[in-house]
Amino acid sequence: EAGVTQSPRYAVLQEGQAVSFWCDPISGHDTLYWYQQPRDQGPQLLVYFRDEAVIDNSQLPSDRFSAVRPKGTNSTLKIQSAKQGDTATYLCASSPTGVSAETLYFGSGTRLTVL
Amino acid sequence: SQWGEENLQALSIQEGEDVTMNCSYKTYTTVVQWYRQKSGKGPAQLILIRSNEREKRSGRLRATLDTSSQSSSLSITGTLATDTAVYFCATDGGGGRALIFGTGTTVSVSP
Repeated sequence: EAGVTQSPRYAVLQEGQAVSFWCDPISGHDTLYWYQQPRDQGPQLLVYFRDEAVIDNSQLPSDRFSAVRPKGTNSTLKIQSAKQGDTATYLCASSPTGVSAETLYFGSGTRLTVL
Repeated sequence: SQWGEENLQALSIQEGEDVTMNCSYKTYTTVVQWYRQKSGKGPAQLILIRSNEREKRSGRLRATLDTSSQSSSLSITGTLATDTAVYFCATDGGGGRALIFGTGTTVSVSP
């Protein structure tokens, strides 16, 4: 069974540029998460979906970040105007139904550097 | 913050030694999950312990949970160099929420 796939693997931007991250979850998993992991810190939730619906986006900086999962499968996270403080690894994870006792399966992440 | 200061640790040990790392949290949780993250990879779950369990074992791993003190520990016996990683505990903030991860414990195991 294929795991969670993310692309690109790395991205380097100047401040003010836009970038998109793509995630393909494990087939059949209806819950998809985006986490931001600054260097030497734990993953911090940005947004999560159940099917195509946003369940929690309270930690997503809405002025510059957006996330969609239009068909309840793949997802895209976009940063409109990147800042140096956005430098981090962006992790996508999926789980079968989203209940709290489930395992989250993570991709390898996209490492973003904003210069 | 959800987390106590015990999560901020780095440990260096020799292969074959045992290691224990701790995690304290401030908000009720229905489960504690422990994840391991190796360099350049995403976190991978090691073990899950529910709020009605005090101890859980899986191979060389042992997790404990003390809901009265809101703390959990993860022990690894007979460490290997391949156990070198950052270890995170994660809670669910009472259920119905996405996992909240701690800041992690870095474990370096020398051959």
